[in-house]
Amino acid sequence: AQTVTQSQPEMSVQEAETVTLSCTYDTSESDYYLFWYKQPPSRQMILVIRQEAYKQQNATENRFSVNFQKAAKSFSLKISDSQLGDAAMYFCAYRSRQGGSEKLVFGKGTKLTVNP
Amino acid sequence: GAVVSQHPSRVICKSGTSVKIECRSLDFQATTMFWYRQFPKQSLMLMATSNEGSKATYEQGVEKDKFLINHASLTLSTLTVTSAHPEDSSFYICSATTKKGQKVSTDTQYFGPGTRLTVL
Repeated sequence: AQTVTQSQPEMSVQEAETVTLSCTYDTSESDYYLFWYKQPPSRQMILVIRQEAYKQQNATENRFSVNFQKAAKSFSLKISDSQLGDAAMYFCAYRSRQGGSEKLVFGKGTKLTVNP
Repeated sequence: GAVVSQHPSRVICKSGTSVKIECRSLDFQATTMFWYRQFPKQSLMLMATSNEGSKATYEQGVEKDKFLINHASLTLSTLTVTSAHPEDSSFYICSATTKKGQKVSTDTQYFGPGTRLTVL
């Protein structure tokens, strides 16, 4: 079974600075998706970024980018120019592309605090 | 695009009563919907997966008779908590995916805003 590990329960960053959240995963599959979701205090889960494992190029979405290291099974999220609105829980998630399963396997989350 | 709504956002009920939570995809057809439960300061726990027109698949340890899931159309799934007890109090979240290649990405789960259930 696949597992997702987020080793940083909490992180903090100064406004306008850059922060990197770590995520590692374990799988024997070669084809899969990886996601970062954000859950602010409202508790609405918001998709931040998505990466297909077959793509070598790292996904980017404005100030958010990932460092996808397939061999190392690492999928870190970099937030540049941090804003107060980035404060939230961040969940890393894995989804298989094999066997028809659409389930997400979530990590335990990292709570990000942004200091003014 | 990719808006998922849930209703109600909060509900308080007495022990022994049943509560229904609705999950709707507003701008796409949801071929699969998921129901999660989230305890404070924890990650999401998948309860069940439902496909339109078929029975839900429940995760191990989730009581099928207590948590009834119906996915009657491509835009609506409901979760009914039957004979609710205080231990059922939690935050319930639904999500939806589509395989119909519309304006939203296929194979990505889009989440509703959640429902806070309190059982007295």
